[in-house]
Amino acid sequence: DVKVTQSSRYLVKRTGEKVFLECVQDMDHENMFWYRQDPGLGLRLIYFSYDVKMKEKGDIPEGYSVSREKKERFSLILESASTNQTSMYLCASSTPGGSIGRRETQYFGPGTRLLVL
Amino acid sequence: QKEVEQNSGPLSVPEGAIASLNCTYSDRGSQSFFWYRQYSGKSPELIMFIYSNGDKEDGRFTAQLNKASQYVSLLIRDSQPSDSATYLCALTGGGNKLTFGTGTQLKVEL
Repeated sequence: DVKVTQSSRYLVKRTGEKVFLECVQDMDHENMFWYRQDPGLGLRLIYFSYDVKMKEKGDIPEGYSVSREKKERFSLILESASTNQTSMYLCASSTPGGSIGRRETQYFGPGTRLLVL
Repeated sequence: QKEVEQNSGPLSVPEGAIASLNCTYSDRGSQSFFWYRQYSGKSPELIMFIYSNGDKEDGRFTAQLNKASQYVSLLIRDSQPSDSATYLCALTGGGNKLTFGTGTQLKVEL
């Protein structure tokens, strides 16, 4: 079974703080993703990574950065948290190997609900 | 126009009925299509994927794909209260990124 874990289920931070969200997967997956999910807006891709030390911007990267120093770990960083970054943050992983469908399937962590005051 | 369109619902069906969830998409180059289920406060979990035109069955779930009409659906037979959740449609154009719809909320009533 694929297991994706996230460092916190709930987090409360103050405006202007630097926030680190950690994601770890145990299936040796090459691809890792960070999304945020807001009511009515669905899942929006922030950043993704295809390999260690590699990152690509998703649809809404502004105000965020990422780090992937090890294959199993992908960190999302809010450089200076703002109230509009209050959201549910979801990490996912996938592997490019395998047949069509399987290679694009993403497995999600439990999510971190972040409140910025 | 959104890339992946779903009716937000809620879709209410009685227990034991067939629930039909629909999704349309705009990119004709889309190749693989996914249905995820998300319970309130939880993360999405994969139900099934489909990439060929026609039907694909997995237990009580059937995915239907019609690429000519740019339409994918999920049928849930013998709906149970435990099926009450939000169902997310997602697709990919051959790369590793998924594009998600905003989801349809399903309520199965006793």
